[in-house]
Amino acid sequence: QLHLQESGPGLVRPSETLSLTCTVSGGSISGSSFYWGWFRQPPGKGLEWIGRIYYSGNSFYSPSLKSRVAISVDTAKNQFSLKVTAVTATDTAVYYCARLEYSTNWFPDFWGQGTRVTVSS
Amino acid sequence: QSVLTQPPSVSGAPGQRVTISCTGSNSNIGAGYDVHWYQQLPGTAPKLLIYGNSNRPARVPDRFSGSKSGTSASLAITGLQAEDEADYYCLSHDNSLSGSVFGGGTKLTVL
Repeated sequence: QLHLQESGPGLVRPSETLSLTCTVSGGSISGSSFYWGWFRQPPGKGLEWIGRIYYSGNSFYSPSLKSRVAISVDTAKNQFSLKVTAVTATDTAVYYCARLEYSTNWFPDFWGQGTRVTVSS
Repeated sequence: QSVLTQPPSVSGAPGQRVTISCTGSNSNIGAGYDVHWYQQLPGTAPKLLIYGNSNRPARVPDRFSGSKSGTSASLAITGLQAEDEADYYCLSHDNSLSGSVFGGGTKLTVL
């Protein structure tokens, strides 16, 4: 059974960089037909797509976050990671990693449990 | 303001049928992109409920069904149960935004 687990600091200072890692178990990131993605959900609000990456490193980002976001992949560790630079309070959210399947567009079919990140001094 | 529009809330009594709409435009749903639906129980991660407009993963009961027509899609839940009380989100792709877009979410209350 596929399992995804997010990890990283729960508190980040304003203007600093948020860094999270998603560890995949029960399946391999490499050589598959799936993309791997990040999403977030601010407190009391809806879901937002951040970006996605293929095991080869090919990546796509939400236009609204593109200038501050980078997603990378480490196939040896079966992990992929998210960095968000110059964070502000509006980046406070639960961050989810997910596996993405394709059906005219990429959609998450397996999600991690999520990790809460607060931006505060 | 979400690109895909959902009603903020719907409600129904146990056993009843409810529907949740997801209205888009010709740059997303109307452009032929599939719609996918997610159920988010309180305090948990979203779970895939419907993919490719009308397909159910094996673990999802057939009380849940999806459809798509033109620039809109709908999720129907029949035989409403207390455990269905959750937030529901639709997801598609938007050409203008060059990426995935969610609806704003609908809170289902079982009366």
